[in-house]
Amino acid sequence: GQNIDQPTEMTATEGAIVQINCTYQTSGFNGLFWYQQHAGEAPTFLSYNVLDGLEEKGRFSSFLSRSKGYSYLLLKELQMKDSASYLCAVRDSNYQLIWGAGTKLIIKP
Amino acid sequence: IAGITQAPTSQILAAGRRMTLRCTQDMRHNAMYWYRQDLGLGLRLIHYSNTAGTTGKGEVPDGYSVSRANTDDFPLTLASAVPSQTSVYFCASSDSSENEQFFGPGTRLTVL
Repeated sequence: GQNIDQPTEMTATEGAIVQINCTYQTSGFNGLFWYQQHAGEAPTFLSYNVLDGLEEKGRFSSFLSRSKGYSYLLLKELQMKDSASYLCAVRDSNYQLIWGAGTKLIIKP
Repeated sequence: IAGITQAPTSQILAAGRRMTLRCTQDMRHNAMYWYRQDLGLGLRLIHYSNTAGTTGKGEVPDGYSVSRANTDDFPLTLASAVPSQTSVYFCASSDSSENEQFFGPGTRLTVL
């Protein structure tokens, strides 16, 4: 079966760095996405990785290792507005997205 | 309108009733999707459409139907609602199945 695993919840301090991990087992791989979802709102696109390595976009970076079935999202200089759920999704061999349950990130002052 | 709109925002429905959730996008995206989001679970794909005139079944299609008569609209119909269909429903679109998806604001549906 297909499976995406992420921690359910994480807590971090304002101004710090946090790494959210995602491991996956899917039928085929055609890219990995990270989305941010604030409570009561729609998911919004953060990053996309299809090749191994690190993609940096401002305070957010995303890493992929296809051989390990592993990705992480790195958030630097945390701000209170970063409190949200972070969703990992893998595009499978049918080009459909398989979603993890999301990681709720709580930022404390 | 800009982006994707969904209607209604929320709805309480009696079991056995028929309900259509509306989704409209103005980005001229070819692909559209319907997901449900339940607490503790990831988004689950109900139905999708890669282009106007075509539809496909996702992971959890039972009890739902869709149509794609034109590029902009992708309604989701519950023929006879059941309490297990209580969920938040998100419509999404992308300019192809290879690119990121853009989400509508969601419809919160409660079936009693």
